[in-house]
This record gives sequence, C-alpha cells and structure tokens, in this order.
Amino acid sequence: GAGVSQSPSNKVTEKGKDVELRCDPISGHTALYWYRQSLGQGLEFLIYFQGNSAPDKSGLPSDRFSAERTGGSVSTLTIQRTQQEDSAVYLCASSGEYNEQFFGPGTRLTVL
Amino acid sequence: AQSVTQLGSHVSVSEGALVLLRCNYSSSVPPYLFWYVQYPNQGLQLLLKYTTGATLVKGINGFEAEFKKSETSFHLTKPSAHMSDAAEYFCAVSSNDYKLSFGAGTTVTVRA
Repeated sequence: GAGVSQSPSNKVTEKGKDVELRCDPISGHTALYWYRQSLGQGLEFLIYFQGNSAPDKSGLPSDRFSAERTGGSVSTLTIQRTQQEDSAVYLCASSGEYNEQFFGPGTRLTVL
Repeated sequence: AQSVTQLGSHVSVSEGALVLLRCNYSSSVPPYLFWYVQYPNQGLQLLLKYTTGATLVKGINGFEAEFKKSETSFHLTKPSAHMSDAAEYFCAVSSNDYKLSFGAGTTVTVRA
C-alpha cells in the first residue's frame, strides 16, 4: 500500500507479558519514528531511526521498551513485562523531505 | 528545545462558522511547523506545514495557517466549518532535528 501500516490494530495482553508491535513504513522513506499517545501524556516521541545511523532512543520510557528496524524498512517495537501504564495507542510514522511525517493508524495496546 | 501550546482543549463551532485554533510555539531555531488532524480511532493526517517561504500556508480540506514569527504563532483557520471537520487537531513543531513536539490537542465539535 501507499501509506504506513501497523499491526496488530488492537492488542490486549496481561500484565507481565511481552508484546511486539510492527510498523511498515512508506516505501523509500529513510526515517521511521515511534510515538505513544495516551490520555495522560498526550503524544510522546519514543524512538527515531534514520538510515543506518544509530537510533535516537531518548524517548523510550524505560528499559522494558526496545525497537529495531531490519533492513532499513520494517520496524518492531517490543515492550517486555508489560504494565498497565503501558496501555496507549502506539503510532508509527515515516518521513522523507522536510521531516513531513506520515502516520500509520496505530496499535491500541490494552494491558489488563 | 521546542514546545507547543494550544489554547483551548475544546472548541465548539456552528456549521458554516469560522474555525480558529490557536497554536503558539517556542523554538531556539527557525521552526518547521505542522498541523495534524486525527479522526476517531485513526492515525494522524497532515493538514499543512510551514518550512520556509510564504508565511500563509494552505492545506487540505480548506484549512490554512499563518506563521507569525513576531508572535511565535501558527494559528489554524477555516472560513466555514463543516460537520466533517469534527476531530482532534494537533499543532507540532520541529527544529533542525527530527523530533516533533506536539501540543496537547484541540477537539473540535461542529453544531448543526
């Protein structure tokens, strides 16, 4: 497709379980971003990948969060030992020129 | 560092009336400025952006915004509201790096 895609669209998990969220960016976009949108915190930057450079992980809230990007394309955000405060919508975006970020539909994560 | 302030978390307008959403930013370098719209259960969609050049920027769906450096503002307007404009709107700023800093969002409701 032409846009950013994310899977799954919804994920319900139990506290303490690990989850993986997937993002497929727009073809040809070298930059990829993860954001978190929650009621209490609004939209927060999590992590940024640009080409083969080391990612900027400065927004990750704890060491339970990690992300990788394979082959400069697909990215996976992993949350280990999920907590209830991790419940949020996780948005992925990719960009080309002028940092115009195109967002995917998000994954709604609910931790019970 | 940059930050964004959106005045008014909720705005209610009558169909056909002017829509005005206020955004003020702070940035230590010339900013890139963006407005995004989010419909329920969807990701963010770019409405318009300012990078350089003309300070009045026209976007999709009849929206426009004007960059006023002296006022550090980037207010979003639409002359005549339509029911389909009901959504949440986010102003965002980026400097010469890559992170978007978002405002808290403004929810627009349109009264028939």
